[in-house]
Amino acid sequence: AQSVTQLDSQVPVFEEAPVELRCNYSSSVSVYLFWYVQYPNQGLQLLLKYLSGSTLVESINGFEAEFNKSQTSFHLRKPSVHISDTAEYFCAVSGGRMNTGFQKLVFGTGTRLLVSP
Amino acid sequence: GAVVSQHPSRVICKSGTSVKIECRSLDFQATTMFWYRQFPKKSLMLMATSNEGSKATYEQGVEKDKFLINHASLTLSTLTVTSAHPEDSSFYICSARGSGGAFSPLHFGNGTRLTVT
Repeated sequence: AQSVTQLDSQVPVFEEAPVELRCNYSSSVSVYLFWYVQYPNQGLQLLLKYLSGSTLVESINGFEAEFNKSQTSFHLRKPSVHISDTAEYFCAVSGGRMNTGFQKLVFGTGTRLLVSP
Repeated sequence: GAVVSQHPSRVICKSGTSVKIECRSLDFQATTMFWYRQFPKKSLMLMATSNEGSKATYEQGVEKDKFLINHASLTLSTLTVTSAHPEDSSFYICSARGSGGAFSPLHFGNGTRLTVT
């Protein structure tokens, strides 16, 4: 079974400052890792994902996450945040054999990023 | 991009009544849909997985007689909360996977806020 830990329930930061949202996972099998973002009154949107290959993955809006197998982490970072990045961010993991693809997603409890001017 | 429409966005019902929540894939055929429940300050908890034309697979601890799931077509899945009680009040979210195979991305609805009085 897989599990995800997001230790920070809320991260306040000033606009244009860097931010890191932490995510640690546990699994007995190979995993696929995801970050989803949820804006107020909206559903979840996929921000980025790690399946295999390069351990550093990037999103189109400046976020990046690095898969660290030894530390079982998949922290999300952005060098300079905007007010519009204010949202809830969920880390998720799925496991299973490659030929069965994305199995059930297990989500962390989420981190609320609050960007202020 | 792919859109999943979830209806209603909010519903208030009296204890003992039943409530139906619809999840529609608007521009793709969803062979698999997932229903999640989100508690305040908690992660999304997978309730069940439904595949078109077959019975839903419920997660451990989820009462299948209370949370009825129907996936009668490739574009519609419904979740019916039967004999609702105040403890069923929660945020319910559906997600849908397209027919492109097991690695098709998941698309999430905007969720339904259920309040049982």
